Amino acid sequence: QSALTQPASVSGSPGQSITISCTGTSSDVGSYNLVSWYQQHPGKAPKLMIYEVSKRPSGVSNRFSGSKSGNTASLTISGLQAEDEADYYCCSYAGSSTSVFGTGTKVTVL
Amino acid sequence: EVQLVESGGGLVQPGGSLRLSCAASQFTFSSYWMHWVRQAPGKGLVWVSRINTDGSATNYADSVKGRFTISRDNAKNTLYLQMNSLRAEDTAVYYCARGDTGSYPDWGQGTLVTVSS
Repeated sequence: QSALTQPASVSGSPGQSITISCTGTSSDVGSYNLVSWYQQHPGKAPKLMIYEVSKRPSGVSNRFSGSKSGNTASLTISGLQAEDEADYYCCSYAGSSTSVFGTGTKVTVL
Repeated sequence: EVQLVESGGGLVQPGGSLRLSCAASQFTFSSYWMHWVRQAPGKGLVWVSRINTDGSATNYADSVKGRFTISRDNAKNTLYLQMNSLRAEDTAVYYCARGDTGSYPDWGQGTLVTVSS
């Protein structure tokens, strides 16, 4: 149950695109198309942004997209906006009805 | 709108016990798996435990196995987390979350547990 690996920070200017990686193993990310992504603003509960690798819940901007290749999942934010500045966490099913979260990435809008 | 409201957090001494509750409303509680996720101050999210719809199956993170017990009362629409033998490293905001394994669309606001002497 080791945490998935994410970069500690990613930054970009308004309007740019950024990508956050999430690296796991063949026991979690690599084995299941059950990767989700969460946005968390300071002092707030996490918000689901992407589920099942690339699906967006109703109400989430289409500027957010997800993908996966092998043991690494990615979240791309296009047209970066000031309101996107937050912490982002990936999460993967890890078998035996357990889940594992990523280490978290702080997104800064320059 | 789905509502999840945690309660029961507070200050407890190392080795002590605490029971968290999560009151659910605006959805059919008995139809969903439920989870606990925690976040230590300034740290990331950590999955803690899950329970199936009727409470017959539970799973735990290795770090809490044998010390924490998840349960639910579908008649009261309430999820619980009994925490025993608490350690300083259990200090965190504890969130309850609704969802399938690996995907949690709904979260409570969290309740803070502080383990300190």
